[in-house]
Amino acid sequence: QSALTQPPSVSGFPGQSVTISCTGTSSDVGFYNGVSWYQQPPGTAPKLIIFAVSNRPSGVPDRFSGSRSGNTASLTISGLQAEDEAHYYCSSYITSSTLWVFGGGTKLTVL
Amino acid sequence: QVTLKESGPVLVKPTETLTLTCTVSGFSLNSIRMGVSWIRQPPGKALEWLAHIFWNDEKSFGPSLKSRVTISKDTSRSQVVLNMANMDPVDTATYYCARIKYYYDSSGYFEVPQIDSWGQGTLVTVSS
Repeated sequence: QSALTQPPSVSGFPGQSVTISCTGTSSDVGFYNGVSWYQQPPGTAPKLIIFAVSNRPSGVPDRFSGSRSGNTASLTISGLQAEDEAHYYCSSYITSSTLWVFGGGTKLTVL
Repeated sequence: QVTLKESGPVLVKPTETLTLTCTVSGFSLNSIRMGVSWIRQPPGKALEWLAHIFWNDEKSFGPSLKSRVTISKDTSRSQVVLNMANMDPVDTATYYCARIKYYYDSSGYFEVPQIDSWGQGTLVTVSS
């Protein structure tokens, strides 16, 4: 299975919104509601911020939202804050193969 | 509170077999619709899913490493063990274990397995 495709980097000013895309295929992102997003600040373990395409775990600010159109999932962060600076990874569960695939990661810089 | 902690060698030699242990707390490895995954991250690079084991002992492996990896669980010890054979310097990475839990999607009808809680990770260096 190929990795999901994410832009290497995105940036924005505090208070602005940014969107990170995650492109897969009709066998993964486009087929099943198993898309999740993770935030990874430098030197730390990933943290789940979106599950099942568009759901937030408790404790995750509602500034973070997820969506999907066709074979592309998106993570939108509104009202950017300095603490949002991190790497973000998408992932999809592939039910037909019972395995997971990750995106290549996107570095978010808050200017 | 769910916690996972990885343990194992920090340095292995090429061709050796790596054995990593994930000790979990806050949930049971027998809990229905739960499991544990192993994921690794080479320095400065992306995450790579390696393997998982579910409550019912169902296992699955990443296609690129399938022939080298085994996974098992000891429910009484709350531990999941990953073995990776024939280690090479390119296998140098931080290795994470993480919990899998089934969640309902937005429709409220369908459950999907998701990787949610992660351990802190352990850096394994492969060098002679």
